[in-house]
Amino acid sequence: DAKTTQPPSMDCAEGRAANLPCNHSTISGNEYVYWYRQIHSQGPQYIIHGLKNNETNEMASLIITEDRKSSTLILPHATLRDTAVYYCIVRVRRSQGNLIFGKGTKLSVKP
Amino acid sequence: GAGVSQSPSNKVTEKGKDVELRCDPISGHTALYWYRQSLGQGLEFLIYFQGNSAPDKSGLPSDRFSAERTGGSVSTLTIQRTQQEDSAVYLCASSAKGQGISYEQYFGPGTRLTVT
Repeated sequence: DAKTTQPPSMDCAEGRAANLPCNHSTISGNEYVYWYRQIHSQGPQYIIHGLKNNETNEMASLIITEDRKSSTLILPHATLRDTAVYYCIVRVRRSQGNLIFGKGTKLSVKP
Repeated sequence: GAGVSQSPSNKVTEKGKDVELRCDPISGHTALYWYRQSLGQGLEFLIYFQGNSAPDKSGLPSDRFSAERTGGSVSTLTIQRTQQEDSAVYLCASSAKGQGISYEQYFGPGTRLTVT
């Protein structure tokens, strides 16, 4: 699986959009970008994934650059409950192997 | 529906004792994974089951660690002769396989193991 690079921490004001970047310059053509988050003292939670088109679900939006070397997870209206570590993971879709978690980005949503 | 459940939620044991951690995956999920997370550290893969067999045990840190899965459902992670460095949160995840499913992993709440 391709390696990803994320900033170690970010702050966001409550109610504002949180934009979390991820670099994955060595991504292969058959690899997808997945995002998970881990709220303190809980197990990781799947958020969203995508290949090359922008994706949106009830939790977030995922914007992938045209060259697929980077992506941004957008939480449109961050709440205090969105404070968590966010992990960007690149892997082949429908792969049943283990997830490789990096250090992620610690997002702190502040009132 | 019911998510992944793990028991116990907390376990304190003395160094040298054996412990068993249990994971109940989401019903129908064929794949099951064990990870652990030491304090302030990232998630570390331990073992992966597909059905009752374990095609990937590469993450088990020593032969004191073993796991089994029966009936394609419940899994037990056993740590023998526990050491203080085994203290961590042990997380279980499961995923489905099949047409139209994108294989996301769903995690349980974890078991916090403390070895004194």
